[in-house]
Amino acid sequence: DAGITQSPRHKVTETGTPVTLRCHQTENHRYMYWYRQDPGHGLRLIHYSYGVKDTDKGEVSDGYSVSRSKTEDFLLTLESATSSQTSVYFCAISAGTPRRETQYFGPGTRLLVL
Amino acid sequence: QKEVEQNSGPLSVPEGAIASLNCTYSDRGSQSFFWYRQYSGKSPELIMSIYSNGDKEDGRFTAQLNKASQYVSLLIRDSQPSDSATYLCAVFQGGSEKLVFGKGTKLTVNP
Repeated sequence: DAGITQSPRHKVTETGTPVTLRCHQTENHRYMYWYRQDPGHGLRLIHYSYGVKDTDKGEVSDGYSVSRSKTEDFLLTLESATSSQTSVYFCAISAGTPRRETQYFGPGTRLLVL
Repeated sequence: QKEVEQNSGPLSVPEGAIASLNCTYSDRGSQSFFWYRQYSGKSPELIMSIYSNGDKEDGRFTAQLNKASQYVSLLIRDSQPSDSATYLCAVFQGGSEKLVFGKGTKLTVNP
């Protein structure tokens, strides 16, 4: 599992509530990613990080922010959750030799916004 | 965004048969190609990576890459019920430095 944990694993919240999801890795990987997975859309990149305090937007970043104050932790925040953000959220890390990097995924967080 | 397309499925094969999963991609600059397996309710799990034209075999799995045709496939020989899952094709796009996923093909292997 590449030493990746996500918390919480399941969360139910209400529209308008802020939500923070945590991804923790134990192997000092530089690159970390947040994806969401929805039926009919597959996996879509929300934000990624290439180092402490270095982050960038992905394909579906609106409504999400991220922070990375330590190598091992990458936080995803929904400032004001909406029902359209109901999804399964996966964190991933990138590992391997240059030009042969591969992404490995955490166990996921199921988020339901009522 | 450059796209990754997979045959829509679902795909159903009998136990012991060969399952063939296909994927096309639009970014000609792509260099790295991956197949992930995802069981229902679980996270994607890497099963194959391929970087050069031709075939790459690992046990019952064979990945095939044809960069000229922008096509990558996964063959599963002697399919087992435990192979029933959704298979995701992923392409690392050199220009954007991002991994782009297809929507997946659901495979069912019938005993």
